[in-house]
Amino acid sequence: EVQLVESGGGLVQPGGSLRLSCAVSEFTLSGYGMSWVRQAPGKGLEWVAIINQDGSKKSYVDSVKGRFTISRDNAKNSLYLQMDSLRAEDTAVYYCARGGSVPLFWGQGTLVSVSS
Amino acid sequence: EVVMTQSLLSLPATLGQPASISCRSSQSLVYSDGNTYLNWFQQRPGQSPRRLIYKVSNRDSGVPDRFSGSGSGTDFTLKISRVEAEDVGVYYCMQGTHWPYTFGQGTKLEIK
Repeated sequence: EVQLVESGGGLVQPGGSLRLSCAVSEFTLSGYGMSWVRQAPGKGLEWVAIINQDGSKKSYVDSVKGRFTISRDNAKNSLYLQMDSLRAEDTAVYYCARGGSVPLFWGQGTLVSVSS
Repeated sequence: EVVMTQSLLSLPATLGQPASISCRSSQSLVYSDGNTYLNWFQQRPGQSPRRLIYKVSNRDSGVPDRFSGSGSGTDFTLKISRVEAEDVGVYYCMQGTHWPYTFGQGTKLEIK
């Protein structure tokens, strides 16, 4: 069974940093583009970033450009999201998802809270 | 950015009766490869999104056949032929044609 398991969330002060990880199993990571999607408490879904199969192409939503970095280690079956200069409005559950245009598999999410 | 508009934020539905959710995009979702990357997701309370329909009308494995998707260009619809109690949740349309990919604001289906 395909699994995606996020980790690394937590409480951080404004201006701080966090690194999220997504460990995948039962599929070969190198065969798929991967994404991060977030959901603020009680709100809708927002695409954050996407990376292609070999990590050579990355795209970000405007609100996180220059602050967040998506990366992957196919050998370790892992996807990452480095989040710097965090703001209160970045508070959300962060999901990793397999694919981009038609994402089928999602993780259970990890909560990031940005507050002083 | 493509804006996805779901006209109803709340949908009171009757068990056993049909229900319909509409979604409109601010520009055509036809990609250069000829595909239309319009997906529908269901999110039950406390759960991750679950894809129901991909590329307008393709139902995912394990999704009951009472769910169907239709539409083209900029106008799309998710239909439930007979609402069941387990269908309670929030439904999102999502476009994967233009970056950044975007979701509708969600339609909360509740049982009357």
